[in-house]
Amino acid sequence: DIQMTQSPSSLSASVGDRVTITCRASQSISNYLNWYQQKPGKAPKVLIYVASSLQRGVPSRFSGSGSGTDFTLTISSLQPEDFATYSCQQSYSIPFTFGPGTKVDFK
Amino acid sequence: EVQVLESGGDLVQPGGSLRLSCAASGFTFSSYAMNWARQAPGRGLEWVSGITSSGGTTYYADSVKGRFTISRDNSKNTLYLQMNSLRAEDTAVYYCAKMNGDYMRSSNFDYWGRGTLVTVSS
Repeated sequence: DIQMTQSPSSLSASVGDRVTITCRASQSISNYLNWYQQKPGKAPKVLIYVASSLQRGVPSRFSGSGSGTDFTLTISSLQPEDFATYSCQQSYSIPFTFGPGTKVDFK
Repeated sequence: EVQVLESGGDLVQPGGSLRLSCAASGFTFSSYAMNWARQAPGRGLEWVSGITSSGGTTYYADSVKGRFTISRDNSKNTLYLQMNSLRAEDTAVYYCAKMNGDYMRSSNFDYWGRGTLVTVSS
């Protein structure tokens, strides 16, 4: 199985900050990497698919990059509604696997 | 509007069984692969099982293989997860997740429900 790791596990930031989250795969997954946002008690939501494509309806302040084993999710200017947990997921092979998540909270 | 709504979560004893359901609406259910994922308390998301749009092929995580069975009824727009021989480590919120097509490397889970809680405890 492909193992996914993320760093940091949590971070504190302020509105307007630029935030970068890193995801690493245990083997090359090309660009088959998706990012999800999760808020307590709500359904997870896909933000970015195939590493860098923005899901319809997701604000352009979210962007993704990377290929192979190393990927990043960037929020260019953090907004109040962005405080949440972000998880990466590889779709290269079954079983699909997720990273452990990065919690973004108020500084 | 696409909606998926899970039900069936409950408190069950170790070794017991439970069946989860996921009612889908707002899209052509029979055209999309569907999945179950779960999240144990304080842990990350874990993919559990998936089924192709026709129901002809199923996939399982090693942690549930041989104990859980995924199925779907395309005439009822409903996805199921039969869970047998439940263990304490199966305690989690279980999510139903629609795939944006059938199984391809470029797939993603484009719609999720809010989840249903399964607690396995004596």
